[in-house]
Amino acid sequence: DQQVKQNSPSLSVQEGRISILNCDYTNSMFDYFLWYKKYPAEGPTFLISISSIKDKNEDGRFTVFLNKSAKHLSLHIVPSQPGDSAVYFCAATTEGGNTPLVFGKGTRLSVIA
Amino acid sequence: NAGVMQNPRHLVRRRGQEARLRCSPMKGHSHVYWYRQLPEEGLKFMVYLQKENIIDESGMPKERFSAEFPKEGPSILRIQQVVRGDSAAYFCASSPLNRLGGYTFGSGTRLTVV
Repeated sequence: DQQVKQNSPSLSVQEGRISILNCDYTNSMFDYFLWYKKYPAEGPTFLISISSIKDKNEDGRFTVFLNKSAKHLSLHIVPSQPGDSAVYFCAATTEGGNTPLVFGKGTRLSVIA
Repeated sequence: NAGVMQNPRHLVRRRGQEARLRCSPMKGHSHVYWYRQLPEEGLKFMVYLQKENIIDESGMPKERFSAEFPKEGPSILRIQQVVRGDSAAYFCASSPLNRLGGYTFGSGTRLTVV
């Protein structure tokens, strides 16, 4: 039973364009969401997060949008750069509880120069 | 991923041997999490520990797997009598008491069972 789903295994985008990575969740108890970036042979690196009290959080080129009613979030990267090529994982947890992060399967982003 | 140290980076074991994976959390972090990533899969939660306590082991297989985080020293994930299906990347993460800043992951241990 996958509680966090990333339905696109891969995505290719031209350098300078916008990358949009999507994530859906099924557990309505989740109220805190994170995105991680992972390069080969390295551990995941925290990128950006959002609490369910917000619908948008921005950090430089990265913006996360949350649609609670649809149980959907997305990560926008603009402009995309070749160094953004990596696997991106969406993760969810409960803000006040002791729930470990639940991860999606990841989306491999390739930014083409 | 400076700060969370995992060793070894690569570990090869024959079927039936034991594998010991070590994780030293970031300084000041009191929570440790172990995740496993199978090929083409996401990270699957295994176990969550604080010093000398297992908080949540709901993701740990019931047989052959155990974890500890002693008062002194690193956290250890132990796999007894390894089988080929245990081959995976095992990641450790740590967090401070307030976890909302996200976990910090180590670089992982890639276990290969031959």
